[in-house]
Amino acid sequence: AQTVTQSQPEMSVQEAETVTLSCTYDTSESDYYLFWYKQPPSRQMILVIRQEAYKQQNATENRFSVNFQKAAKSFSLKISDSQLGDAAMYFCAYSRVGFGGSEKLVFGKGMKLTVNP
Amino acid sequence: EPEVTQTPSHQVTQMGQEVILRCVPISNHLYFYWYRQILGQKVEFLVSFYNNEISEKSEIFDDQFSVERPDGSNFTLKIRSTKLEDSAMYFCASKEREGLYTGELFFGEGSRLTVL
Repeated sequence: AQTVTQSQPEMSVQEAETVTLSCTYDTSESDYYLFWYKQPPSRQMILVIRQEAYKQQNATENRFSVNFQKAAKSFSLKISDSQLGDAAMYFCAYSRVGFGGSEKLVFGKGMKLTVNP
Repeated sequence: EPEVTQTPSHQVTQMGQEVILRCVPISNHLYFYWYRQILGQKVEFLVSFYNNEISEKSEIFDDQFSVERPDGSNFTLKIRSTKLEDSAMYFCASKEREGLYTGELFFGEGSRLTVL
């Protein structure tokens, strides 16, 4: 069975600085997706960034980028120029690849990020 | 922007009572999900639903749980006889289309269930 581990329950960062959130996973599949979802207080979980395992290039979305190390089964999220609005729970998630299906997400426990002004 | 909405936001119930959690997915979405998160634990998959039937369910989703889409818009999760360990945040999610899976699920804000 696939598992996702986020070992840091909480982190804090100063506004405008950079922070890295770590995630490891375990799977026997060779192709899969990895995700970071963000959940602001009392708001929905929203997708931050996605990485396809077959792609060697690390995904980036504006201030968000990942460091995907397939052999090490590591998938960290880097937030550059942190903003107050980045304060949220961050969830790392895994999904196998499928077509036309209801493939489920396997989540980590989440990590609470605090951004200090 | 279209959103997944969930009601109630918080429900307190007595052990043994039936609870129905409601979700209105985004209107053109085809796949529907329930997840739950017990306080301090991982977000866990409960069930997925497509074409008016369950696609997949986890071992958590036993005979006490059921889902239905009664009217083409609502998607409900029913717990027939609640237990203390059912206390959790329940998240509804939906996905847009068939074909290549892109992974983007759209989540509601969650319904917090407290069983006393």
